[in-house]
Amino acid sequence: DAGVTQSPTHLIKTRGQHVTLRCSPISGHKSVSWYQQVLGQGPQFIFQYYEKEERGRGNFPDRFSARQFPNYSSELNVNALLLGDSALYLCASSATGVSNQPQHFGDGTRLSIL
Amino acid sequence: AQSVAQPEDQVNVAEGNPLTVKCTYSVSGNPYLFWYVQYPNRGLQFLLKYITGDNLVKGSYGFEAEFNKSQTSFHLKKPSALVSDSALYFCAVRDGANRGSTLGRLYFGRGTQLTVWP
Repeated sequence: DAGVTQSPTHLIKTRGQHVTLRCSPISGHKSVSWYQQVLGQGPQFIFQYYEKEERGRGNFPDRFSARQFPNYSSELNVNALLLGDSALYLCASSATGVSNQPQHFGDGTRLSIL
Repeated sequence: AQSVAQPEDQVNVAEGNPLTVKCTYSVSGNPYLFWYVQYPNRGLQFLLKYITGDNLVKGSYGFEAEFNKSQTSFHLKKPSALVSDSALYFCAVRDGANRGSTLGRLYFGRGTQLTVWP
């Protein structure tokens, strides 16, 4: 069975641009979460979606937004990119939104801002 | 507030020796605890979890972890390390109380780089 898939794998943007990252969860999983991992740090929570509704939001500015589609795939959008947005963006899925289930991660999108 | 501390940035061990990667946590309610491993240029791979029950949890690839409520610790262990275990290890915690906006949120430590020498 396919795991969590993310696209693109790498992306280079310049300051002020906009970016859209995509995620397909494991088949049957209805919850998707997004994390930002800056080099040398642990992942930081950005959003969680379950059944197409936002269930949680981390401490990120309004430039960050996301949505979940009827097929449970998800997009993360970042506007007005800053140098500090350079990071590995990880998507994770779980079968439901309850907190005792592990999240399964994709390999991420590495975003570089010039 | 929920938080995780991994006090060691780096752990070095010889192949065949036991290994321990340390983790301490802080949560408001009952903790749900997880260990993940990250290989270079890859995402995080789930190793094991503690939800309730036995304090010794067994996971993938021969890893296990010991939950200690009084010390608020969840150390990762393996009896005999392999060179292929060399990777970055993350401890993570969730508040088991399922409070509203923190429902799905994992709090991660900074990670511990494990190097196993042949």
